[in-house]
Amino acid sequence: GQQVQQSPASLVLQEGENAELQCNFSSTATRLQWFYQRPGGSLVSLLSNPSGTKHTGRLTSTTVTKERRGSLHISSSQITDSGTYLCAMGSNTGYQNFYFGKGTSLTVIP
Amino acid sequence: GPKVLQIPSHQIIDMGQMVTLNCDPVSNHLYFYWYKQILGQQMEFLVNFYNGKVMEKSKLFKDQFSVERPDGSYFTLKIQPTALEDSAVYFCASSLALRGGRPYEQYFGPGTRLTVL
Repeated sequence: GQQVQQSPASLVLQEGENAELQCNFSSTATRLQWFYQRPGGSLVSLLSNPSGTKHTGRLTSTTVTKERRGSLHISSSQITDSGTYLCAMGSNTGYQNFYFGKGTSLTVIP
Repeated sequence: GPKVLQIPSHQIIDMGQMVTLNCDPVSNHLYFYWYKQILGQQMEFLVNFYNGKVMEKSKLFKDQFSVERPDGSYFTLKIQPTALEDSAVYFCASSLALRGGRPYEQYFGPGTRLTVL
């Protein structure tokens, strides 16, 4: 079945440092979407990026579809960025179910 | 932005009972999804639903599970009977219909935490 691998599993940064989160997927995805999962569990959609590079605020998503990989760059990390970042691959069927990675747990310390 | 609501936020039931989880999708959306996340594990696709029918389901979508959206109201996930391994957070999502092969973004609800005792 579809597989999504995220790395690293966890990351600790000092405030102000940059973070680079990686995502690899097992088959051609029509879309890659990054989510932030709050400690309580709710999801916040960050960026949806089928290919190329997209920016929003301090976030940059880069997806290289042919190489089945994507990344999320967080610049100038803040303590409030702490949480779990999920990479989700849209399936290549018509219904675009998401297949999720296990997430990267980010902790930003002062 | 568009919001998906889920009711209730928490549900505790005894094993063997029936439970219905309710999702209020974004009003003009036509595709609906359920995902399951066991505590500490990754989120996994259960089922999608369009035009009154299940279009795809995963192996996690057991025979005890069913979905429906009667009369365009809530999109529901029913589990009957429940088992201990059904304890998880269930997320509902919705999206606009596909157009020209390009999918629209899925919007996720906040989840319903189900505890089966």
